[in-house]
Amino acid sequence: AQKVTQAQTEISVVEKEDVTLDCVYETRDTTYYLFWYKQPPSGELVFLIRRNSFDEQNEISGRYSWNFQKSTSSFNFTITASQVVDSAVYFCALSEASGNAGKSTFGDGTTLTVKP
Amino acid sequence: KAGVTQTPRYLIKTRGQQVTLSCSPISGHRSVSWYQQTPGQGLQFLFEYFSETQRNKGNFPGRFSGRQFSNSRSEMNVSTLELGDSALYLCASSLGDRDYAPQYFGPGTRLTVT
Repeated sequence: AQKVTQAQTEISVVEKEDVTLDCVYETRDTTYYLFWYKQPPSGELVFLIRRNSFDEQNEISGRYSWNFQKSTSSFNFTITASQVVDSAVYFCALSEASGNAGKSTFGDGTTLTVKP
Repeated sequence: KAGVTQTPRYLIKTRGQQVTLSCSPISGHRSVSWYQQTPGQGLQFLFEYFSETQRNKGNFPGRFSGRQFSNSRSEMNVSTLELGDSALYLCASSLGDRDYAPQYFGPGTRLTVT
């Protein structure tokens, strides 16, 4: 069975600090996909990034960066120079291949609060 | 492109009643998934429909059912409502033809059962 663990329930930082959100996953599949979503107070989940199990390259998009390490089954998300608008709940999710694209297992989420 | 839309946005029902929620996916998306979000259980997968067929199913009782129409719009039905069914129900759409296709979520329907 697949599982996603986000050990950090809540994180509070001051604006401009860097913050890393941890995600650890479990799966028996060799092919799988990892995602990060953001859920602002408005409630709508927003897709941030996707990574497949064969691609361990880290990725940077503006102030966001992701570190995928298969050896530790982790897919961590770092926000550099955080801003108040980054305040949201962040979810890490896992989808196994073989026709399961529409079925994701989500972690419990990490609530990030960025204070001015 | 218009995003995923869900109706109604808010709903209050009484125990024992039934409810139908609607989801219109992004144009061109053939997969629609439903999730239940509660403070205690987090985001839990209900089911996924692709081209009018249920492709995946989560671990929910038979009171939860769904369907998808030829235009990819989907409905979710919950019969004999229980207090524990109070939750935010999220619909997500994706192209569905690739395992790595990301899901795009709607704003959700907030269901309160009294």
